[in-house]
Amino acid sequence: ILNVEQSPQSLHVQEGDSTNFTCSFPSSNFYALHWYRWETAKSPEALFVMTLNGDEKKKGRISATLNTKEGYSYLYIKGSQPEDSATYLCASPSGTYKYIFGTGTRLKVLA
Amino acid sequence: DTAVSQTPKYLVTQMGNDKSIKCEQNLGHDTMYWYKQDSKKFLKIMFSYNNKELIINETVPNRFSPKSPDKAHLNLHINSLELGDSAVYFCASREGSRDEKLFFGSGTQLSVL
Repeated sequence: ILNVEQSPQSLHVQEGDSTNFTCSFPSSNFYALHWYRWETAKSPEALFVMTLNGDEKKKGRISATLNTKEGYSYLYIKGSQPEDSATYLCASPSGTYKYIFGTGTRLKVLA
Repeated sequence: DTAVSQTPKYLVTQMGNDKSIKCEQNLGHDTMYWYKQDSKKFLKIMFSYNNKELIINETVPNRFSPKSPDKAHLNLHINSLELGDSAVYFCASREGSRDEKLFFGSGTQLSVL
């Protein structure tokens, strides 16, 4: 069974601070790693899908890196803003159709 | 236009009733899913259909029955609702392979009284 873990579970940062959190996954049989942003009372929205070891993706102030050999991905937010407050989920495919989601990192950015 | 739409958004019902949640995607995707957000806010897969064919049935009670009349729709019917069924249910779809991102509906908050 694939185990996807995220840390920390939650964090509070001040507006303007940069922050990062981790997603770890089994490195064997790796296929892809997804990051989603989930605002309260809304639905998860995809940020990145990463497939290549060493890959780095960027979307505005948010970026992610991938290390498939050691089984981790980092999500970075530069200059956090209150609107970045959300739960950030990572997920990894297990088989062709199933995704295993981590429990998420709940980010609160304080103004 | 909403890509993945679920109805209703809220559903309040009594124990023992039968209810349905509908999901439609206008993205032309082949694969659709039902996820349940459990009490710890964790997303757990329930079902997956690919081109109207059931692919994943993740040890969900028989009271839950998905139906896919065509590849754009995946409905969830729940018989004899129980208190423990109260949760938020999300529909999602995906275009092709597992490196394609999931598109989620806005969720249906089910409350069983």
